[in-house]
Amino acid sequence: NAGVMQNPRHLVRRRGQEARLRCSPMKGHSHVYWYRQLPEEGLKFMVYLQKENIIDESGMPKERFSAEFPKEGPSILRIQQVVRGDSAAYFCASSPMASGTYEQYFGPGTRLTVT
Amino acid sequence: DQQVKQNSPSLSVQEGRISILNCDYTNSMFDYFLWYKKYPAEGPTFLISISSIKDKNEDGRFTVFLNKSAKHLSLHIVPSQPGDSAVYFCAASGKTGANNLFFGTGTRLTVIP
Repeated sequence: NAGVMQNPRHLVRRRGQEARLRCSPMKGHSHVYWYRQLPEEGLKFMVYLQKENIIDESGMPKERFSAEFPKEGPSILRIQQVVRGDSAAYFCASSPMASGTYEQYFGPGTRLTVT
Repeated sequence: DQQVKQNSPSLSVQEGRISILNCDYTNSMFDYFLWYKKYPAEGPTFLISISSIKDKNEDGRFTVFLNKSAKHLSLHIVPSQPGDSAVYFCAASGKTGANNLFFGTGTRLTVIP
């Protein structure tokens, strides 16, 4: 499967625990984006990364959320001390270069449930 | 601040007829527009896109129209098929250097056999 891969597909965490979401972009893609979708809403941009660099994190909550895209391995979205309001579907997308002229390809998402 | 709006949450169409999904945007800096299709429990799938230098782009049964003066775009699907039943998201991207996509809230299309 050469598409964008995300794992886990479903993640259940208790309030106060950490959630770690992983994303492997499509082969040849070096740009990764994370989006969050709350129930009955559209996708909201969180962060845009290239290898070892955060390019735009204007959509990330100021606290508890962080993202990385190391030189080797998948991109990681980390949520510390989760709260019920963090329950959502988190989608990763990748593109071969900066979007604006190229579409982004999405993974299947990770559905996070905070109990 | 919702910069991309899809005012119809749902649409039902008979199989074989035309489906028209609408989208409005407020930011005049957007210069690239995309439509995504999403099935439950899956990620959005890219469908078709259009650059602001064009007013129409066609790909098989799917055509996107862009009216820059009205800040409006639409997706036409003809003929509609039951497999087209899904949620359709309109998205926009800007030339400000930002690389993220701004999404509408989606329209759920149901094609009735």
